[in-house]
Amino acid sequence: AQSVAQPEDQVNVAEGNPLTVKCTYSVSGNPYLFWYVQYPNRGLQFLLKYITGDNLVKGSYGFEAEFNKSQTSFHLKKPSALVSDSALYFCAVRDRISSGSARQLTFGSGTQLTVLP
Amino acid sequence: EPEVTQTPSHQVTQMGQEVILRCVPISNHLYFYWYRQILGQKVEFLVSFYNNEISEKSEIFDDQFSVERPDGSNFTLKIRSTKLEDSAMYFCASDGSGVLPNSPLHFGNGTRLTVT
Repeated sequence: AQSVAQPEDQVNVAEGNPLTVKCTYSVSGNPYLFWYVQYPNRGLQFLLKYITGDNLVKGSYGFEAEFNKSQTSFHLKKPSALVSDSALYFCAVRDRISSGSARQLTFGSGTQLTVLP
Repeated sequence: EPEVTQTPSHQVTQMGQEVILRCVPISNHLYFYWYRQILGQKVEFLVSFYNNEISEKSEIFDDQFSVERPDGSNFTLKIRSTKLEDSAMYFCASDGSGVLPNSPLHFGNGTRLTVT
C-alpha cells in the first residue's frame, strides 16, 4: 500500500520569504512523487515530479522539491514566496512497481499555503 | 495545451436520484480516473479505467457507482441513487500513454455535486 502524509494543514509565510511545504511518503518499492496545486474552485494543476536522478527537481512557477530517500520525504520549496502562491498544495505518490493499469496516485491531505503581503 | 474538460460544473440533485457526470479526457491518453474531494479536504481515489474496463477501484466505489466510456471521447461516472454524503467535488483525470507509470495525472476543473 502507498500513503502520503502532509503534517501541516496550514502554512503561513510573508511575501518574499522562502517557503517549505512538507511531505513524507510510504511505498513498497521506490516512489514516483508529484506535487499539485489547487486554486479555489479549480482542479489540481501539476507542479513537478520526481522520477529518478537528481534529488532536486524544478517545476512550474519557481517551485522546486527535494527528494530525500533516507527520510522518505519530498518537501516543496520556493526561495521567495508570492501572494499569488496562496493555494492548497497536495503531495502525491505512485509506487514505481505499479504494473499494468494500476497507476492511480495517492494524495496527501493537503496543505493550505497563505502568503501574507 | 490539451485539457481535461468536465460537465456540468455544478449539479444539484435530490437524494435518491441518478446523476451522470461527464468528462472528456485528453485525446491521446489511455488511462482515466475519477477522484472526489469533500469540501476542500483530501482528494480520494474512486476508480481507474484502462482498455475499456475498470482496472482498480476503492472502497468508496460501491455498487451505486459505475463508469463508462460510451464512445471514443467521453468518460462518464454514474451514481445510481445519490445519498447526502455523495455531495463533493468530483474530478476526472487522464494519464499519458507511456509504458512506465511516471507521467502525471491531468485533472479537469471538477463537477460540484450537491445532493439535497
